[in-house]
This record gives sequence, C-alpha cells and structure tokens, in this order.
Amino acid sequence: AQKITQTQPGMFVQEKEAVTLDCTYDTSDPSYGLFWYKQPSSGEMIFLIYQGSYDQQNATEGRYSLNFQKARKSANLVISASQLGDSAMYFCAMRERNTGGFKTIFGAGTRLFVKA
Amino acid sequence: EAGVVQSPRYKIIEKKQPVAFWCNPISGHNTLYWYLQNLGQGPELLIRYENEEAVDDSQLPKDRFSAERLKGVDSTLKIQPAELGDSAVYLCASSFLAGGMGTDTQYFGPGTRLTVL
Repeated sequence: AQKITQTQPGMFVQEKEAVTLDCTYDTSDPSYGLFWYKQPSSGEMIFLIYQGSYDQQNATEGRYSLNFQKARKSANLVISASQLGDSAMYFCAMRERNTGGFKTIFGAGTRLFVKA
Repeated sequence: EAGVVQSPRYKIIEKKQPVAFWCNPISGHNTLYWYLQNLGQGPELLIRYENEEAVDDSQLPKDRFSAERLKGVDSTLKIQPAELGDSAVYLCASSFLAGGMGTDTQYFGPGTRLTVL
C-alpha cells in the first residue's frame, strides 16, 4: 500500500482564489508527522507547514493551512488567496519511526498552476 | 543564516565515469540526508546520517554508490561507475534532532542535476 497518496497530478486555480491539494497517508506509528513542501521550477524544496499527529489544532502558516482529519488519515493543504508565484510542484510527506529512527516518505506531488 | 549548500548544481558525465556531489548542511544541524529525485516524482531517501553515523542506508545501491560524513558536518555522495539510469536530481537535506526527538523538519539544498550520457 502507498504510504503517501496525492491523487491530483495537476491542479488549476484562478489568482486570488483558494485551492486545496489532497494528501492521504497510511501508518501504524501513533507518533507521526506530516509536512508539505513546495518545489518551484528552480528545483529547491521549500518547507511550508508541519502537523504533528498529536496536535489538536490544524497547523497554519500565513496563507497556508493544513486540514488535518486524523480518522480519515487525510492532510490536505489549503492555500488561500493564490498568487502567480504559487505555481509549483507541491509534495506531501510523512515522518514515521522505523528501526533506524525516523523515516520521511514523500508523495508523488501535485503540480499547481495559478492563472492570472 | 545560510541554507543547505550543494555543489555542483549541474553535472554531465559519460557512463562508466565516476562522479561526486558535496553537501554542507545548515550550521548546527546534526542530521543529514541524501535523496534521489527522478523527473515527476517525489524524493526517495538514499542515506541518512545522525552526526557521523549512517543510521539508514538501506536504499543506497552499495555496489556503485558510497557516501561519507567524516566529521559530522559536510558530506560527499559518490557514484562509481555511473549508469544511464542514474540521471536524476540528487538532493541533500538537513535537520536537527535532540536525542532522537523533534519534528525532524528537513531543509533542502538546491540539488545537483546529474546527466549521464
């Protein structure tokens, strides 16, 4: 089974509107973490937001928020007021414990296109 | 504060040649990662270091890949000999874990884009 699933290969959004990027995960570790990263065409992975499995509140960082639904094993990224510079690949990732300590697994990504 | 530094940014070599990539993590970060990213996919872990120790190298193809982090700071990843299928982006990331605890938020360098002809 896939550990991290991002079902949307590509998404379009109009500038200034909100967009939700989907992510579901699978783990048996009760103490896990969820991350979202942005990768522009320049190639660098930029950390956006983190949610711990025990966090009661949804994480927020500026225009980014993480819609954490633990029972559904869902960790969707919401970007409000989209900007042209938000056009990029977005990766969902999960950190879980394994025999070597922590391991972080990345999804296949969603490419977001912001239209003017 | 300086981010993760990687060099070179781009490398083109012929198959069967050796190649090396260098990474300097964020100052104070004790954990360092090397990832492989194929086009259109997410990064895949090759090796993870905690200080000088390689704590997870299960996905490193040890017949041709090697890595070292001798003083627990910067690291080198080597491929010898390179194959056509090694063409990809090689990402380095670092994080800080205190006693194995923390969020393990990883910060990435710009990557090295390798092309094997």
